[in-house]
Amino acid sequence: DTGVSQNPRHKITKRGQNVTFRCDPISEHNRLYWYRQTLGQGPEFLTYFQNEAQLEKSRLLSDRFSAERPKGSFSTLEIQRTEQGDSAMYLCASSLALGQSYEQYFGPGTRLTVT
Amino acid sequence: AQSVTQLGSHVSVSEGALVLLRCNYSSSVPPYLFWYVQYPNQGLQLLLKYTTGATLVKGINGFEAEFKKSETSFHLTKPSAHMSDAAEYFCAVSGLNDMRFGAGTRLTVKP
Repeated sequence: DTGVSQNPRHKITKRGQNVTFRCDPISEHNRLYWYRQTLGQGPEFLTYFQNEAQLEKSRLLSDRFSAERPKGSFSTLEIQRTEQGDSAMYLCASSLALGQSYEQYFGPGTRLTVT
Repeated sequence: AQSVTQLGSHVSVSEGALVLLRCNYSSSVPPYLFWYVQYPNQGLQLLLKYTTGATLVKGINGFEAEFKKSETSFHLTKPSAHMSDAAEYFCAVSGLNDMRFGAGTRLTVKP
């Protein structure tokens, strides 16, 4: 069981640059979620996929944020024209689609620092 | 819409003492509730979950939680704290498409 992996673990970028994060879910999981976590807060839901379909994206923080899961396996989260307020931990999770009783398995996160 | 409120952003206990972390939920449908633990610079690890059935749920590392519908609560307990329990704990409720987390409770364990 390899678990959920995320790369990179840390990213430092300058304001205005674009960044892309990758998430590899547990192989048999068909749902994949992205969250943002700021200091002292719980994870905040951003978007999720079931297989390759993005079923919820209205909670993405702005049009600078986008996510893809082209083949229903790994996913990428891109932030364009980064701002200092984007500094946070970005968490990915995966699960099986079993209604609401699923548990989500989280990756270690990517910590983004925008200078 | 579902939501959770964690009472107390910081809890400090002595090693060997009872741990009690409080969570109250709001849900328009029967809730599915979870507790996760997060160690520094790591992702979240599931401690336990309540879906249906028995209202007292046992999890990993000696933790358990009791679902009380009348009190809309899902408090997390452990009879005897260990130094390794020091971490951030999050209560969560699942919706149809997402999971809503509380703000977290930081547990400190004093020797």
